[in-house]
Amino acid sequence: ETGVTQSPTHLIKTRGQQVTLRCSSQSGHNTVSWYQQALGQGPQFIFQYYREEENGRGNFPPRFSGLQFPNYSSELNVNALELDDSALYLCASSPGEDQPQHFGDGTRLSIL
Amino acid sequence: QQQVKQSPQSLIVQKGGISIINCAYENTAFDYFPWYQQFPGKGPALLIAIRPDVSEKKEGRFTISFNKSAKQFSLHIMDSQPGDSATYFCAASIGGNTGKLIFGQGTTLQVKP
Repeated sequence: ETGVTQSPTHLIKTRGQQVTLRCSSQSGHNTVSWYQQALGQGPQFIFQYYREEENGRGNFPPRFSGLQFPNYSSELNVNALELDDSALYLCASSPGEDQPQHFGDGTRLSIL
Repeated sequence: QQQVKQSPQSLIVQKGGISIINCAYENTAFDYFPWYQQFPGKGPALLIAIRPDVSEKKEGRFTISFNKSAKQFSLHIMDSQPGDSATYFCAASIGGNTGKLIFGQGTTLQVKP
């Protein structure tokens, strides 16, 4: 039990649509990161939020955006979905202060 | 320079044997090297991690060996069990264990009974 909950578990969208994925972390987890894991690959860093501010971004286009809320939940938004966006999207959180990140079980997004 | 290269891609080991997975990196600014275990349908779970000022760390049946000069690190799983069958990822980050994680490509381990 990592204390990181993601919803929904599965989602099917069509090209061009928009999607919002959600992550709920334990109280006090000020740092949240989002990763994209394509089938058979390692996770790739999308971005990180610390205390509701973006704190680093990977090599993803601006149509990938995020938010972190005061209640330790966060969102990943993806606009203008493309077929290559089909992947497992993972959220990882940490209370900071040199504590490790723990992952949720992800949202499996399929684009048709 | 941001890559972490992992090998082998897949590994089959007999029950009771030693599983060894290797990773190599280029960026000497990396300061945290974790290993994650992932089962199908689940997120990665932190197994064990090491910092570059230590050459070896052991937790139960899992050991990380770290060679700073060679920029390589490896995971050894002693007395491998069928329940260890999973995909293993090495990773590296700058900024400690809350930093951006750069993952290897993964190794699928199968432990035969």
